[in-house]
Amino acid sequence: DTAVSQTPKYLVTQMGNDKSIKCEQNLGHDTMYWYKQDSKKFLKIMFSYNNKELIINETVPNRFSPKSPDKAHLNLHINSLELGDSAVYFCASSQDGLEVAPLHFGNGTRLTVT
Amino acid sequence: GQNIDQPTEMTATEGAIVQINCTYQTSGFNGLFWYQQHAGEAPTFLSYNVLDGLEEKGRFSSFLSRSKGYSYLLLKELQMKDSASYLCAVKDSNYQLIWGAGTKLIIKP
Repeated sequence: DTAVSQTPKYLVTQMGNDKSIKCEQNLGHDTMYWYKQDSKKFLKIMFSYNNKELIINETVPNRFSPKSPDKAHLNLHINSLELGDSAVYFCASSQDGLEVAPLHFGNGTRLTVT
Repeated sequence: GQNIDQPTEMTATEGAIVQINCTYQTSGFNGLFWYQQHAGEAPTFLSYNVLDGLEEKGRFSSFLSRSKGYSYLLLKELQMKDSASYLCAVKDSNYQLIWGAGTKLIIKP
């Protein structure tokens, strides 16, 4: 099936740990994104990658780092996890990062930091 | 600052019609999107407006007035499966997507 897939779906970990979330898209899209959705349901963009180059980097802590080995993958690494990092993280892709192409989202990773 | 406003929650009856409003104040405008998000799931694309007027797609329609900074999503013949959050998002002059917090729609039999 063509889709945006991310793993794991649930991630429970302790403060101070380092974790990674993986994302893959087989839609042939040019741009991939990471979004954070907090308890108030606001979607906030964290990063986007276009052709393996970072084109948007919002003011997120440098504990968060995106890694894109190729156009179809954009993984998210988080170091020294904090309680406030608990949220749902969505990976997404679109055909073009600048124009008005709709986003295709993965199913989300619910991160709980204890 | 940039802002998207939507009602937090709405309730409607199965078979009826509901209109979900969205007002925006952004630096520039390059299109408005509506997404549907069921609880615990990913947002999915519903509609896109860049010109004034009404776009109809089956039971769902979306309207835009750029001069008023206003859009609405109209859902007809409501079904129980339409219970979800509806997210309004605007692309600004830098093509960055600004999101509203979403409207939780509850459908009652």
